[in-house]
Amino acid sequence: LAKTTQPISMDSYEGQEVNITCSHNNIATNDYITWYQQFPSQGPRFIIQGYKTKVTNEVASLFIPADRKSSTLSLPRVSLSDTAVYYCLVGGGNQGGKLIFGQGTELSVKP
Amino acid sequence: DVKVTQSSRYLVKRTGEKVFLECVQDMDHENMFWYRQDPGLGLRLIYFSYDVKMKEKGDIPEGYSVSREKKERFSLILESASTNQTSMYLCASSLVASGSTDTQYFGPGTRLTVL
Repeated sequence: LAKTTQPISMDSYEGQEVNITCSHNNIATNDYITWYQQFPSQGPRFIIQGYKTKVTNEVASLFIPADRKSSTLSLPRVSLSDTAVYYCLVGGGNQGGKLIFGQGTELSVKP
Repeated sequence: DVKVTQSSRYLVKRTGEKVFLECVQDMDHENMFWYRQDPGLGLRLIYFSYDVKMKEKGDIPEGYSVSREKKERFSLILESASTNQTSMYLCASSLVASGSTDTQYFGPGTRLTVL
């Protein structure tokens, strides 16, 4: 399973756009890229998933370059409630649902 | 909405006790998972199950066992609890892998303290 590398922490201010980049150099052909969000004392929550190019939903956008060796989660106009840990994962394609969680990026949004 | 419930939010046990952590999902998912989460280490997979009575070891299965007698229920068992098993335990479920549909739905977690 591909290993991911992402920043340990990031700071931002309310109203700003936040981009969190994840490296996954060993991503396999069948792997999807998935991002989860976790608030303190809660289980992780699915945010977005993609395979290539760009995916957008009501919460975030996911940008994936052609080589798929990295991906960027974009959160538009963050608020204090977006303060959380964000995990980038690759896998799932043919591993029967098994995903590997890294340490995640702790995003702190300040007023 | 998918709902994953765990039997306890907080649990305190003594060293050597047998501990059962229960997880139930209500969406007929085939896959179920147990993770533990520790500061600085992220989520680590303990065991997972693709179907009733089937189980696979994750990355850190030592000291744990699991049971899946019914599709909706996945139990994590600590045969003899030790202090290094003090942690947050998270259960998750997902549909059968079919390309992109591997979204895992997590329960609220059980914070276990072993004294």
